[in-house]
Amino acid sequence: EDKVVQSPLSLVVHEGDTVTLNCSYEVTNFRSLLWYKQEKKAPTFLFMLTSSGIEKKSGRLSSILDKKELFSILNITATQTGDSAVYLCATLGGTSYGKLTFGQGTILTVHP
Amino acid sequence: NAGVTQTPKFRVLKTGQSMTLLCAQDMNHEYMYWYRQDPGMGLRLIHYSVGEGTTAKGEVPDGYNVSRLKKQNFLLGLESAAPSQTSVYFCASSTWAAGGPGEQYFGPGTRLTVT
Repeated sequence: EDKVVQSPLSLVVHEGDTVTLNCSYEVTNFRSLLWYKQEKKAPTFLFMLTSSGIEKKSGRLSSILDKKELFSILNITATQTGDSAVYLCATLGGTSYGKLTFGQGTILTVHP
Repeated sequence: NAGVTQTPKFRVLKTGQSMTLLCAQDMNHEYMYWYRQDPGMGLRLIHYSVGEGTTAKGEVPDGYNVSRLKKQNFLLGLESAAPSQTSVYFCASSTWAAGGPGEQYFGPGTRLTVT
């Protein structure tokens, strides 16, 4: 059975801190790993990682995938209160329909 | 370009009642999905569709039916609602990318309570 595990489950920091969120996976027919941000409503897409060692970056957020050790990290530098959200990691399997397996999510709270 | 939309946003049902949730996307995506999200359980796939006229079961299909009569719409039906179906329901769609389905884009969700 495919499995995606995120850690920590929750994190409380102050504005300006840097955070690292972890995602490990055991997935058959792995194709890609995705990160989403969820703020009370729909998950919004952040990154899709397919190749090991290539960092994807968007502003203060960056992510990297290690396909040998089966994990990914999401870094957020200089955190702001607007970064407070649930961050979801999901793996995209190689099935014909694009099976997404989600982790439990990391709840990030950024205090002013 | 509205992306993925869902109606209704909220609904309260009594046990045994039926209802249909509508998902619409204007991105011409082939693939559409219905998920439910429960505390501590993450998002779980209910049903999916790889194209107009086709549907298939996901991880937790019991108690739900779906239809995809038009490419842009994906309907989720509850024939006889049960309290265990109280949840937030998300629709998503994705296109074809580099040899397979790409990232999924989600609708705003429908919060359903069954009493």
